[in-house]
Amino acid sequence: AQSVTQLGSHVSVSEGALVLLRCNYSSSVPPYLFWYVQYPNQGLQLLLKYTTGATLVKGINGFEAEFKKSETSFHLTKPSAHMSDAAEYFCAVSLSGNTPLVFGKGTRLSVIA
Amino acid sequence: GAVVSQHPSRVICKSGTSVKIECRSLDFQATTMFWYRQFPKQSLMLMATSNEGSKATYEQGVEKDKFLINHASLTLSTLTVTSAHPEDSSFYICSAPPSAGDGFGYTFGSGTRLTVV
Repeated sequence: AQSVTQLGSHVSVSEGALVLLRCNYSSSVPPYLFWYVQYPNQGLQLLLKYTTGATLVKGINGFEAEFKKSETSFHLTKPSAHMSDAAEYFCAVSLSGNTPLVFGKGTRLSVIA
Repeated sequence: GAVVSQHPSRVICKSGTSVKIECRSLDFQATTMFWYRQFPKQSLMLMATSNEGSKATYEQGVEKDKFLINHASLTLSTLTVTSAHPEDSSFYICSAPPSAGDGFGYTFGSGTRLTVV
């Protein structure tokens, strides 16, 4: 079975500072990895995904993540935080395109002016 | 891209009544739909998987008789919370797995905030 661990339930950064949200996964087979963002009382919006190929994945709104198999990690980064980035972020894993996503517990990102 | 329309977005019901939540795939056919529940400040937990033309598969600990899932057609999946109680108050979200050629993009509904009073 696969699982996801997000280190840090709450991360606070200053506007313009680097954003780093950590995600480690456990999977018996090569995983498909995802980062989603959720604003209050809304559904999930896909930021980026890794399936195969290039390990550095670029997503929307300036976010990117790097798949590191040796570290079983898929950390999310953004060079410069914006106030609008304040939200809940979820890392998720699936075994294939037909299996349900397994989510981490989420990390709440706060951006301080 | 693929869109899943989920309704209602918010519902308040009295304890003991039933509530139906609908998820429709608007521009593609979804033979499978995943249903998640999210309690405040918590992650999404898979409740069940619905499949068009067959019975839903429930996760351990989810009451089948309480959370009725029906996948009536290739574009409609419904979740009915029967005899709702305050502890069923939660955020319910549906998700369709990637359709052919979609490049592994899971599509989520916008969620339903259920409050049982």
